[in-house]
Amino acid sequence: GNSVTQMEGPVTLSEEAFLTINCTYTATGYPSLFWYVQYPGEGLQLLLKATKADDKGSNKGFEATYRKETTSFHLEKGSVQVSDSAVYFCALMILTGGGNKLTFGTGTQLKVEL
Amino acid sequence: DTGVSQDPRHKITKRGQNVTFRCDPISEHNRLYWYRQTLGQGPEFLTYFQNEAQLEKSRLLSDRFSAERPKGSFSTLEIQRTEQGDSAMYLCASSLEQGAGAPLHFGNGTRLTVT
Repeated sequence: GNSVTQMEGPVTLSEEAFLTINCTYTATGYPSLFWYVQYPGEGLQLLLKATKADDKGSNKGFEATYRKETTSFHLEKGSVQVSDSAVYFCALMILTGGGNKLTFGTGTQLKVEL
Repeated sequence: DTGVSQDPRHKITKRGQNVTFRCDPISEHNRLYWYRQTLGQGPEFLTYFQNEAQLEKSRLLSDRFSAERPKGSFSTLEIQRTEQGDSAMYLCASSLEQGAGAPLHFGNGTRLTVT
């Protein structure tokens, strides 16, 4: 089956620190990969995506590269801000007759302190 | 683009009662999804509509759950005879395309607490 594994949180960093959140996946087909972010009390927002091997998704200073050989899609940011504090979800999508169904990891909480 | 709208934001109910949630997708989106998210977990797929047709249901969706999307616009999710294990955030999402990488757009969710 399809599954996503994320590093456990919470991850606590000081402002301007470098961020890496690890994500690996198992898929029966060729997935598209996503990172979604959830701020407190809100729904999920798409952060970035990649649809094929070696693609790099980027948005708001965050980046992730689709690595087929290691089945990974690690999220990175060079300098985090307090406003980046949120829960980050890695997800995969495989097109089936069931539409664009996403399979999510368990999420990684990020806390950024001054 | 007003985004995906869900109502209510919060619902507290007693065990055994029925509850109904509403989702209004982004207006031109023909695909609509329901997910459930429990504390500390990622969202789990419940069901999917393309226009008014319900095309897939997860085995998480017991016979106490029913979803509809009349006329292919808004959708409702009803839970009958609620149990404490139904307490969760219920998320609705919509999308326009099926192509690789076409993202789902999520609403802010309805948080259900069953006492």
